[in-house]
Amino acid sequence: GESVGLHLPTLSVQEGDNSIINCAYSNSASDYFIWYKQESGKGPQFIIDIRSNMDKRQGQRVTVLLNKTVKHLSLQIAATQPGDSAVYFCAENISPGANSKLTFGKGITLSVRP
Amino acid sequence: DTGVSQNPRHKITKRGQNVTFRCDPISEHNRLYWYRQTLGQGPEFLTYFQNEAQLEKSRLLSDRFSAERPKGSFSTLEIQRTEQGDSAMYLCASSRSMSEAFFGQGTRLTVV
Repeated sequence: GESVGLHLPTLSVQEGDNSIINCAYSNSASDYFIWYKQESGKGPQFIIDIRSNMDKRQGQRVTVLLNKTVKHLSLQIAATQPGDSAVYFCAENISPGANSKLTFGKGITLSVRP
Repeated sequence: DTGVSQNPRHKITKRGQNVTFRCDPISEHNRLYWYRQTLGQGPEFLTYFQNEAQLEKSRLLSDRFSAERPKGSFSTLEIQRTEQGDSAMYLCASSRSMSEAFFGQGTRLTVV
């Protein structure tokens, strides 16, 4: 079946370095993608989204890249801070207008070393 | 606080008991979703409302589960005859049409 998945279960980075979290998706019909951050005991928090007609979108300290050719999504966090430590999920939505449910990957834990 | 609100935050119940959770979405959001999350996994879709209409239900939503959104505002999720396998975090999210979903803090259910 089709699924959203993440390449690595954990990522450890030095404070101040840039982080790159990768995600592969297999549903070619997906046209909207979101990255969420989840801290322990809390609900997922929206970070950034991107639609399939774009290949890059920037936010504050975060950039999402979309490569539809290889069905790959990445989240780049600049100057990683201790507060960025959390589990990160990529999620896909096949068609926001017709079917708005999000399908989530399993999550990757980002650990920031001081 | 104008975010998505879920109550209770924690619920411990004995196997076989019924439980009900409540979600109050962001006020102008017409779409409401329920998800279930177990430890180490991403949220799994359960069901989705647009206004008061329940438009989609996952096959994860067995006949022991029922969700309602009677006036198109708050929603309830009821689990009847709880089983230990129902232990999970139950997440509610809301959105305007064709925009990102905002999640609540979740209700953690423990069935003993």
